[in-house]
Amino acid sequence: EAEVAQSPRYKITEKSQAVAFWCDPISGHATLYWYRQILGQGPELLVQFQDESVVDDSQLPKDRFSAERLKGVDSTLKIQPAELGDSAMYLCASSLGGDTGELFFGEGSRLTVL
Amino acid sequence: GDSVTQMEGPVTLSEEAFLTINCTYTATGYPSLFWYVQYPGEGLQLLLKATKADDKGSNKGFEATYRKETTSFHLEKGSVQVSDSAVYFCALSGMNRDDKIIFGKGTRLHILP
Repeated sequence: EAEVAQSPRYKITEKSQAVAFWCDPISGHATLYWYRQILGQGPELLVQFQDESVVDDSQLPKDRFSAERLKGVDSTLKIQPAELGDSAMYLCASSLGGDTGELFFGEGSRLTVL
Repeated sequence: GDSVTQMEGPVTLSEEAFLTINCTYTATGYPSLFWYVQYPGEGLQLLLKATKADDKGSNKGFEATYRKETTSFHLEKGSVQVSDSAVYFCALSGMNRDDKIIFGKGTRLHILP
């Protein structure tokens, strides 16, 4: 069964360091999402791609966060510099697009900033 | 803006009990509504959905009915099992193709044997 792959599963870093997360969506899925999930909260959309184009990055803290999907396939989310408040689970999801509304999520990358 | 409010957990029930997890929403127009579930150690996955008023979504014994008049999409199951222990998220997406999916805070469910 096709899955969304994410790495690393866990990352511990010190504040002010740079971190990067990688996501490989299900093959053929044009839409890719990065969500942040703080403990005890629901996922919050950071950025949405349609192929290689950004559709929505209104909640992405652009002073420190960046995301790219250069060839419209896999994607990287970067944080530089990391802050204590960035500790969270970073979820990647993909979908075929359209109006089905079904997102397929990876297992997530848990970030701890010390 | 659009939002989803769901009952806070944790919810603890005995096996075979009846389950209701309340969800209400605020949105313009006619959003699509979803329940996602996150089992321990796994990623979120779609449980069920409804795309228009009075639609009923169902899967794995769970049901939810899109109630426009009360802006609700409550999740129900007649007889829960230990394996239903998970975190449940209510979510909505707007009417447009690229509208993002907005999630509630999640409700943790514990089922005791």
